[in-house]
Amino acid sequence: KAGVTQTPRYLIKTRGQQVTLSCSPISGHRSVSWYQQTPGQGLQFLFEYFSETQRNKGNFPGRFSGRQFSNSRSEMNVSTLELGDSALYLCASSPQPGSLQETQYFGPGTRLLVL
Amino acid sequence: DQQVKQNSPSLSVQEGRISILNCDYTNSMFDYFLWYKKYPAEGPTFLISISSIKDKNEDGRFTVFLNKSAKHLSLHIVPSQPGDSAVYFCAARDFGNEKLTFGTGTRLTIIP
Repeated sequence: KAGVTQTPRYLIKTRGQQVTLSCSPISGHRSVSWYQQTPGQGLQFLFEYFSETQRNKGNFPGRFSGRQFSNSRSEMNVSTLELGDSALYLCASSPQPGSLQETQYFGPGTRLLVL
Repeated sequence: DQQVKQNSPSLSVQEGRISILNCDYTNSMFDYFLWYKKYPAEGPTFLISISSIKDKNEDGRFTVFLNKSAKHLSLHIVPSQPGDSAVYFCAARDFGNEKLTFGTGTRLTIIP
């Protein structure tokens, strides 16, 4: 069974631009969560999607948004990029909301650098 | 406000010895705790978990201890092996809320 895939793996943008990251969950998994990893903050929860609906949201500004498609693939968008948005963005999939975290699998992440 | 704290950013341990990674939390509503391991260029992978109704859970070389009164958990790895070199994150789940709150991670280096 293929794992969680994220594209692109690396991205360089400049301040003010916007970016879209993509996540394809494990086949059969319908819940997708996004996390931001930075050296000082660890992993911080961005949002979770299930059945094309956002179920949970972390404490991030409105510049961060996401969506999920009918095939469970998810995208996250960051508009008006700031230097502080430079981070590793991780996507995790699980069979359904409320699944034991042991059944949540992370992708390799997208490394975003904002110049 | 960092509800889950890993105060040691890095730790070096001799191969064959015990590695002890620590994690403190502040939210008394956390009911489930997990440890993840992360290699460079890979996503975190689940390692071991513990429910708040237990004080110890063991899986092979890995043991997690939970001290609820102190709001402290620790991960013991014994014996430590070179392949254990990675960043370790502890995470906690809020009762009734499926979100995970992660610590900032501890980079473990096993010295051959």
